[in-house]
Amino acid sequence: DARVTQTPRDKVTEMGQEVTMRCQPILGHNTVFWYRQTMMQGLELLAYFRNRAPLDDSGMPKDRFSAEMPDATLATLKIQPSEPRDSAVYFCASGLTTGQGNTGELFFGEGSRLTVL
Amino acid sequence: AQKITQTQPGMFVQEKEAVTLDCTYDTSDPSYGLFWYKQPSSGEMIFLIYQGSYDQQNATEGRYSLNFQKARKSANLVISASQLGDSAMYFCAPGDMRFGAGTRLTVKP
Repeated sequence: DARVTQTPRDKVTEMGQEVTMRCQPILGHNTVFWYRQTMMQGLELLAYFRNRAPLDDSGMPKDRFSAEMPDATLATLKIQPSEPRDSAVYFCASGLTTGQGNTGELFFGEGSRLTVL
Repeated sequence: AQKITQTQPGMFVQEKEAVTLDCTYDTSDPSYGLFWYKQPSSGEMIFLIYQGSYDQQNATEGRYSLNFQKARKSANLVISASQLGDSAMYFCAPGDMRFGAGTRLTVKP
């Protein structure tokens, strides 16, 4: 049963620490999305990749956030240094996209809940 | 980027009745279709239905159907015969996968 795997599921850290969240997309999918969900802001698109290339990271605070895909089986989202306002659930999703825009179902991971004290 | 508007922060419906959740979009790319996802209290994101921009007929998937009006740029989700398990947040998103603010649906017994 193919699924998107995210680690860690829960992370509590102190302000100023580096946080790395990892995502294993479904094998064969060529598109990976990172989202952040909070009560106040809802579900925000942070970045997305197609064929491992970053297509859009305009939703991501550039000074402290970075997203990469070192290979087709791993996507990472790093926050350095972390701040209390980064506390949220971070979702990774993968899909198979051809052409402009997404036309197929996105499969979401279970999310990584981050708490920055 | 497209702008997605879900004007109903919260909706209530009686069990077994139908309910319509609104979604309008402002798109610069007419080729984008539209997705609906459900997020129950457990937090997972569940795909419900997709409407292709050039599809001639409204999409249907079991008790879910889309009322797609391209000229009005709206793609409302219709849930028929509501069940208690339908209580959740519902999000719509166009092909660039930027989600709206969501609608919290509560099904009353």
